[in-house]
Amino acid sequence: EDQVTQSPEALRLQEGESSSLNCSYTVSGLRGLFWYRQDPGKGPEFLFTLYSAGEEKEKERLKATLTKKESFLHITAPKPEDSATYLCAVRGNSGGYQKVTFGTGTKLQVIP
Amino acid sequence: KAGVTQTPRYLIKTRGQQVTLSCSPISGHRSVSWYQQTPGQGLQFLFEYFSETQRNKGNFPGRFSGRQFSNSRSEMNVSTLELGDSALYLCASSAVGVEQFFGPGTRLTVL
Repeated sequence: EDQVTQSPEALRLQEGESSSLNCSYTVSGLRGLFWYRQDPGKGPEFLFTLYSAGEEKEKERLKATLTKKESFLHITAPKPEDSATYLCAVRGNSGGYQKVTFGTGTKLQVIP
Repeated sequence: KAGVTQTPRYLIKTRGQQVTLSCSPISGHRSVSWYQQTPGQGLQFLFEYFSETQRNKGNFPGRFSGRQFSNSRSEMNVSTLELGDSALYLCASSAVGVEQFFGPGTRLTVL
């Protein structure tokens, strides 16, 4: 069964203090790893898709990287508006069906 | 391009009642998935539809059902509501085999 584990569960940073969020996964036939941002009471907002080890994607202060067993979301010089829960998900191919499995997320708080 | 829309946004029901939630995917997307999100369990997969066929199903009781119409719009139904069904229900649409885009969700409260 596909599994996604995110760490830490919660992270508190000072504004400008860079850090990384981790997403470890086991999946049958990886068809993509996704990062989302979710604000309280809202639907997840799509950030990145990574398909193969070594791939990197960047958007503003965020950079996502992928290895064969984990992905990192690097946040450079975060601002208070980056506070949110960040979700990682994988799409696997098992038994001829593709299925998306989500981690439980990392809740990020950026203090001014 | 319009995003994923879900109706209603908020719903209050009592135990034993049933409820129907609606989702309109992004134009051109034929895959629609439903998730239940609770503070303790995170995002739990309910089912996925593609071209009016249920392609995959999560580990939820038979009280949870869904369907997809020829225009890709989807509905999910929960019968005999229980207190534990209180959650944010999220719909996501995607083109085949790529990232999903989520709607704003329907907040269901069961009293």
